Amino acid sequence: EVVLTQSPGTLSLSPGERATLSCKASQSLSSTHLAWYQQRPGQAPRLLIYEGSSRATGIPDRFSGGGSGTDFTLTISRLEPEDFAVYYCHQYRNSPTFGLGTKVEFK
Amino acid sequence: DVQLSESGGGLAQPGGSLRLSCVASGFTFSSYAISWVRQTPEKGLEWISAISGGGTSTFYADSVKGRFTISRDNSRNTLYLQMSSLRVDDTALYYCAKWRDYYGSGSYLTNWGQGTQVTVSS
Repeated sequence: EVVLTQSPGTLSLSPGERATLSCKASQSLSSTHLAWYQQRPGQAPRLLIYEGSSRATGIPDRFSGGGSGTDFTLTISRLEPEDFAVYYCHQYRNSPTFGLGTKVEFK
Repeated sequence: DVQLSESGGGLAQPGGSLRLSCVASGFTFSSYAISWVRQTPEKGLEWISAISGGGTSTFYADSVKGRFTISRDNSRNTLYLQMSSLRVDDTALYYCAKWRDYYGSGSYLTNWGQGTQVTVSS
């Protein structure tokens, strides 16, 4: 099983700031096996990024994904109020797994 | 718009059974693999099962294998999860989620329902 470790657990930032979220895999992955989801309180997860760096339909360009091998990142260039949420990375290589999430909260 | 709507959750006793349903709309249901994913505050998101578009192939996480059965009725655009031999640690919010197309390496979950709560307690 591929274990995904997300850090930090919580990121305290202000609107307009840049957020950088990390996802480390226990085994090397192709970037095509990595996705990111956003979950707002009381809502279901929403696909943000697929294949490591491609934005899903309707996702603003302030969200970007990158990385390769075992190290992947999600960057939010300028936080908007609606971006304060929990973010999960997800891999499908041989059996789907998810990270435990990074909460982006108001500072 | 793609919509997925789960139902059937509730309170069950340890060792009991429940059947979850997920009704889909807004896409050609039979063309897409669908999964069940559950969420708890302690363990986060956990993939538990998947079924191919035609329903001929099914996949399970070790944690539910032999206890849960996934199925689908493409004529009704409905996905099911038959849960048996329920344990306290099956308590979770259960989501159905649609894959990009197939279930397999390189695919990903594109849409999720709002979830249905399952609580297993005596």
